[in-house]
Parts: sequence; structure tokens; C-alpha cells
Amino acid sequence: AQSVTQLDSQVPVFEEAPVELRCNYSSSVSVYLFWYVQYPNQGLQLLLKYLSGSTLVKGINGFEAEFNKSQTSFHLRKPSVHISDTAEYFCAVREGGSQGNLIFGKGTKLSVKP
Amino acid sequence: ETGVTQTPRHLVMGMTNKKSLKCEQHLGHNAMYWYKQSAKKPLELMFVYSLEERVENNSVPSRFSPECPNSSHLFLHLHTLQPEDSALYLCASSQDGGGGGYTFGSGTRLTVV
Repeated sequence: AQSVTQLDSQVPVFEEAPVELRCNYSSSVSVYLFWYVQYPNQGLQLLLKYLSGSTLVKGINGFEAEFNKSQTSFHLRKPSVHISDTAEYFCAVREGGSQGNLIFGKGTKLSVKP
Repeated sequence: ETGVTQTPRHLVMGMTNKKSLKCEQHLGHNAMYWYKQSAKKPLELMFVYSLEERVENNSVPSRFSPECPNSSHLFLHLHTLQPEDSALYLCASSQDGGGGGYTFGSGTRLTVV
């Protein structure tokens, strides 16, 4: 069965520093990949997605992610974070193209300090 | 109104109560989902409805009973819950075959006392 691993449960960074949140998935078959953000007491909001094409995907709020098929990774990056980026970030994979269910990682809590 | 709307936002119920969570989507999607989000646990997929038919039930206890009367509405009926059922319940929708992700509601924070 498909699984998603987010290696870091918590990532503390200072404001304006770069950040990378790591995500690896288990399957090498065709997958769609997603990053979601969850602010306190909110639902999940889609940051970006990879369906096909360019391996570098740009999303909202200045985030981007790179799909690496050989390493089965989809790491999320931002060159300079803000206090408002403090939230929990979830990586998700949908296998079998668009027909499979979305499988989530356990999440990474990003804490941006002044 | 657009997106996915969940009501109520907060719910406190006793173990002998019966209550229902409501989800409504205005996106024209054809699939809807219930997820459970507990502290220190990954998101758990509970139920999947596609074209108003239940296509998946991930070994959820029978005290949780979903209902999907049409493609825009999804309910989760609750009865005789346990304290460990306290969690954030998230509803989501998607368009099967559309290749996109899911659109989530803001969730219902459920506390069982």
C-alpha cells in the first residue's frame, strides 16, 4: 500500500530564513503529489500539486516543491519564511492517477520565530 | 457561497447523545470524504462517497454512520460515542477524473464527555 513519510515532525526556523520540508512516498508507479497547509483551527488548504510536466512546481505564498522520481521525493521549499507561515504542512499522494484516494503524511509543524 | 462548508464548527456531546455533522460543497464535485484528525496521529480516511454511493469504509466503528443524500451534501451521524472519538472531523470533496486534490472544509471540533 502507498505510504507517505514526512521525516520531520517539527521544524523551527527564524524569520527570513530558507526552509525545506521533506516528503518521501513509497510507490514508484504513477502518482499525483500534493502539499497542504493547515493553520490553527482550520481545515487543509492546497499549497501546490504535481500532476505531470515540469518537476518544479510553484504554489501559493511563495512555496515551491520539486518532484524527484528516482528518489520518490517531493520536498517543499521556501527561500524566505514569514511569521505567518507558522502552520502544519501535510504532504499527500494520490496513486493510480486521479482514481486513488489521497494518502497523507503525518505532517510537519513549521514554527517561524522572529 | 463557494467551497466546502461544515457545521457546526464545535460540538460537545455526551456519550449517550445522538448528533450529526453536516458538510455541503458548492464546487460541483462528484466525490466526498470524511476524515478524522486526532492529536499526534495522521489524518484517517473514514468514508468515501463517489456519485452518492459509498465506495469505501475504512473499518470505522458502527457508532459513526455516514449519509450522502445528493452530490452536494454529506452527513456523519454520531451515536454512543467514546471519549477517544474526540477529534477534528474534516469533510472534503473532489472531482473524480479531474486529477486535482481535495478541497477541505474547516472541520468540526468534536469533544465527547
